[in-house]
Amino acid sequence: DTGVSQNPRHKITKRGQNVTFRCDPISEHNRLYWYRQTLGQGPEFLTYFQNEAQLEKSRLLSDRFSAERPKGSFSTLEIQRTEQGDSAMYLCASSSSQGGHYNEQFFGPGTRLTVL
Amino acid sequence: KNEVEQSPQNLTAQEGEFITINCSYSVGISALHWLQQHPGGGIVSLFMLSSGKKKHGRLIATINIQEKHSSLHITASHPRDSAVYICAVRESGGGADGLTFGKGTHLIIQP
Repeated sequence: DTGVSQNPRHKITKRGQNVTFRCDPISEHNRLYWYRQTLGQGPEFLTYFQNEAQLEKSRLLSDRFSAERPKGSFSTLEIQRTEQGDSAMYLCASSSSQGGHYNEQFFGPGTRLTVL
Repeated sequence: KNEVEQSPQNLTAQEGEFITINCSYSVGISALHWLQQHPGGGIVSLFMLSSGKKKHGRLIATINIQEKHSSLHITASHPRDSAVYICAVRESGGGADGLTFGKGTHLIIQP
């Protein structure tokens, strides 16, 4: 399968714990996006990488959230000191900037986080 | 602040009916996406468009940039079309790639 993959698919944690999610984009895609979706709502943008550079961060990304893409391939999203309000589906997407253009984003299956 | 509004929020129709889902947005955009989300969360990109009209199988997407409005049409609807359809836009004006999403339209097609 050459699509976007995310791990784990489900995570249940207790309030106050740290969690880390991983996203593996489509191999030739240099752009990687993180989104968050709560129940009954559309996704919301969190952050975006071009290669290893984090180019854009939403105000939703509080200081408890950190994202990295150290080698310009896979990315991790860490949430420290989780709160119940962090419970959501965390979606990753990737795209290419071939030709210097904005191209279609391909989404992964998501990681569903439940904070007890 | 860009707002993306979809209508209707919920739609139930009979198999075979022609379906229209609408999306309006408030700022200039460089691209609009129509996405499909099935239960369990997976999102599939249906269309990306910046002008005119695109067609893929039974799905048609149109956009009117001047009116800041797009529509997604499904012809000869089928129960397997049941899903949440989400409109998302990329704002124009330099570099911002993060999408702004509507809340989605929950479509149920009954046999």
